[in-house]
Amino acid sequence: EADIYQTPRYLVIGTGKKITLECSQTMGHDKMYWYQQDPGMELHLIHYSYGVNSTEKGDLSSESTVSRIRTEHFPLTLESARPSHTSQYLCASVGASTDTQYFGPGTRLTVL
Amino acid sequence: AQTVTQSQPEMSVQEAETVTLSCTYDTSENNYYLFWYKQPPSRQMILVIRQEAYKQQNATENRFSVNFQKAAKSFSLKISDSQLGDTAMYFCAFMTNNAGNMLTFGGGTRLMVKP
Repeated sequence: EADIYQTPRYLVIGTGKKITLECSQTMGHDKMYWYQQDPGMELHLIHYSYGVNSTEKGDLSSESTVSRIRTEHFPLTLESARPSHTSQYLCASVGASTDTQYFGPGTRLTVL
Repeated sequence: AQTVTQSQPEMSVQEAETVTLSCTYDTSENNYYLFWYKQPPSRQMILVIRQEAYKQQNATENRFSVNFQKAAKSFSLKISDSQLGDTAMYFCAFMTNNAGNMLTFGGGTRLMVKP
C-alpha cells in the first residue's frame, strides 16, 4: 500500500478565510486525485493530476484549485471558504505499476 | 460512461455470520478493474479487494471474497465470519484500463455487524 498523508485531519474555519489542504505521498506515484464526500454519501472527483505541472478538473465542479509542483505533493486551496464547502476531502494516488488508488486519511472541513 | 449501482443502502449481519453485498455496473469496455473499498467511522477509504476483469478466478483476501460475473456485470462481496470491526460503509468501484486510472464509485452500502 501507498503512504499518503493529509493535513490537517480536522479544520474548523470562518467564512471568507483562505485555506490549503495538504496531501503528500512517499511512493513516487505520478497520478493523484482529490475527492469531495459528504457524510455517508458517494465520492465525487474534483481534481486530478497525471504528474508535475499537470492538473485537471474532475466531474464535480469545485471552487477549489490545486497545484502539482513536486511529484509527492498535491495541495488543494480554497481562496474564500464558505459554509457550502463543509465536507470531507480525500486525496488518493496511483503508481505506474499498481492500477489501484490508495487513499489518505482525509480532511474534515467545517466552515462556519 | 460507466455506472456503478449498489442496490442495498443498508444491511446488517450477526457477528460470525456471512453477508453478501451486491454491486452491478454498466460498461462497454472489455478490460477493466473492480474494487471494494471499506470506509469505517474514521472515514478513511481502505482497499478491501480488487479484481481484474480478464481473470476468471474470483479474488479472495482472507475473510473477503468476490463473486465476479462478467457477463451479468455483477461484482458482489462476501464477508465470512463477520466481525464487529467490519462495521463500515462499503463502496464498489470501477476503473477502466486507460491512462487516467479514474474510479467510478457506487453509492455505498452501510453494513452493521451486530454482537
